[in-house]
Amino acid sequence: DAGITQSPRHKVTETGTPVTLRCHQTENHRYMYWYRQDPGHGLRLIHYSYGVKDTDKGEVSDGYSVSRSKTEDFLLTLESATSSQTSVYFCAISDRASGATYEQYFGPGTRLTVT
Amino acid sequence: DAKTTQPTSMDCAEGRAANLPCNHSTISGNEYVYWYRQIHSQGPQYIIHGLKNNETNEMASLIITEDRKSSTLILPHATLRDTAVYYCIVRGQTSGSRLTFGEGTQLTVNP
Repeated sequence: DAGITQSPRHKVTETGTPVTLRCHQTENHRYMYWYRQDPGHGLRLIHYSYGVKDTDKGEVSDGYSVSRSKTEDFLLTLESATSSQTSVYFCAISDRASGATYEQYFGPGTRLTVT
Repeated sequence: DAKTTQPTSMDCAEGRAANLPCNHSTISGNEYVYWYRQIHSQGPQYIIHGLKNNETNEMASLIITEDRKSSTLILPHATLRDTAVYYCIVRGQTSGSRLTFGEGTQLTVNP
């Protein structure tokens, strides 16, 4: 399995509080992604990074920010958590963003509950 | 990227072949077909991909029709551990970083 860890694995927080989720990889892959998964919506891309300090928005980026100061770490921050952000969050990595062979490797997920 | 259509759910007996269909009638010439699966509560896992030729690896086989408008993922000898949601994704080589997951097919392998 690809070396991807996510922390915390479970978190319960209150509406209005800031929350930071961490994704850590040991594969030295250039690209990193944050997805959320909700019933009826499949996985949706929040933000992604194509290098240190290089990030871009996905399809559901409102209310989220990201940072990548090192190759191995990609942080997802909810500045002021809302109940609609209750979800399972997955981090993924890949060593390329184009071409025929394109695989993303996923972490174990973080279950976030906002009360 | 082209849209895909998959059945919501399928059942398969343990030890038998599981054949999971996917329709992608709007696929264009430079788009690949990818399959991922997600076992309950885990992150998705890459299975296989192809362009127009049939492909096989240690996990599965991918059969793509000649007109490329549909494909079938085959798990030759399904086990209980293959119970998962299977996602068919069509992606172009220049689609950047986007993998668009639909709802997939819930495959249940029964003993």
